[in-house]
Amino acid sequence: KAGVTQTPRYLIKTRGQQVTLSCSPISGHRSVSWYQQTPGQGLQFLFEYFSETQRNKGNFPGRFSGRQFSNSRSEMNVSTLELGDSALYLCASSTSGPVGGNTIYFGEGSWLTVV
Amino acid sequence: GIQVEQSPPDLILQEGANSTLRCNFSDSVNNLQWFHQNPWGQLINLFYIPSGTKQNGRLSATTVATERYSLLYISSSQTTDSGVYFCAVVRGGADGLTFGKGTHLIIQP
Repeated sequence: KAGVTQTPRYLIKTRGQQVTLSCSPISGHRSVSWYQQTPGQGLQFLFEYFSETQRNKGNFPGRFSGRQFSNSRSEMNVSTLELGDSALYLCASSTSGPVGGNTIYFGEGSWLTVV
Repeated sequence: GIQVEQSPPDLILQEGANSTLRCNFSDSVNNLQWFHQNPWGQLINLFYIPSGTKQNGRLSATTVATERYSLLYISSSQTTDSGVYFCAVVRGGADGLTFGKGTHLIIQP
């Protein structure tokens, strides 16, 4: 079956703009999580959605938000972009989420560059 | 929050060599996974192993939950094994994965 699909793969934005990233989980998976990867901070948890509800959120400012649709697809939005938001954004899907004791699968990621 | 430490941070080996990567974590966990990040950035799941031992071809992993560490073994290394290996855990409650800083493995031909 198809894996986790993220779009777009690469994008360049200007400071102050906003960006929306999309993630389609593996069919049947109801949990979608988002992670940010930067050279300085490594991989950090942004938030998790399960059945259209945000279940948990990492330590990121309110400029980072997300949502999940009834078909489990998820979007994350970053408003008022800053240079430090340049990163690889990774989406992960699983049947019941990180705490559910199940395998988590990642997409190929979206590379965001803020100039 | 939970701390995850991976060692060594960098490892350079010749093709055919064996290697052991270690992951220490500071609290009990109910989820532990090993990932290999490919050159394009994707995290490839290697093992879901909160406890016990698993093997998949040339790779195997062992987690000793009571002593809070996990080991990833790579035997007969190939150049395609190069990349960054991450250990990630979930402590419990409503948390996401907490990642270590990774081990950067380079396999030379």
